Amino acid sequence: GAGVSQTPSNKVTEKGKYVELRCDPISGHTALYWYRQSLGQGPEFLIYFQGTGAADDSGLPNDRFFAVRPEGSVSTLKIQRTERGDSAVYLCASSLFASGAGDEQFFGPGTRLTVL
Amino acid sequence: GESVGLHLPTLSVQEGDNSIINCAYSNSASDYFIWYKQESGKGPQFIIDIRSNMDKRQGQRVTVLLNKTVKHLSLQIAATQPGDSAVYFCAENPRMFSGGYNKLIFGAGTRLAVHP
Repeated sequence: GAGVSQTPSNKVTEKGKYVELRCDPISGHTALYWYRQSLGQGPEFLIYFQGTGAADDSGLPNDRFFAVRPEGSVSTLKIQRTERGDSAVYLCASSLFASGAGDEQFFGPGTRLTVL
Repeated sequence: GESVGLHLPTLSVQEGDNSIINCAYSNSASDYFIWYKQESGKGPQFIIDIRSNMDKRQGQRVTVLLNKTVKHLSLQIAATQPGDSAVYFCAENPRMFSGGYNKLIFGAGTRLAVHP
């Protein structure tokens, strides 16, 4: 079956612009996560959704970052007034339950964001 | 896509040798640990996991060892193959089995280079 997909695969934008990154999780997965991965580092947690609600957004770096999941499936990560320091690979992951029994997260290929 | 982990420590091994990748984790309360493999241009891929009530777990060609006393995790890969070449990350979950959810904290990663 299809895995987690993310679009676009690459996004180049200018400083100050607004961008949206999309994640299509595995069908039926209720939990969805966004991570950011800078070059040479491990992924860094941004936000976690259980269904439609953001259960934990403690990893969002500031109020320029926002994410939604209105129907409990597709999620969009939105970045306002982009800065060069936002350049990174943005990874999305989904899992079936998210709690209790070592629920496996499946990652998408990521969106590489470059802010010029 | 551009390689992840360009500045990561590298472990170079000969094909057929055994590989050991080490990781120090940060939170003594973490109760769940996972090893991920990440190839260039792809998202992390689950390899093996272990709960904190275990000190060893084996999979196919892989073994994870957990030493809670010194907060150390290792991944052993038997008979390393060229296809094992990738960046390997350990990840910890501070509260997976105590009412939390699968929020992962990733380590810095190690690049494994397998030479024929």
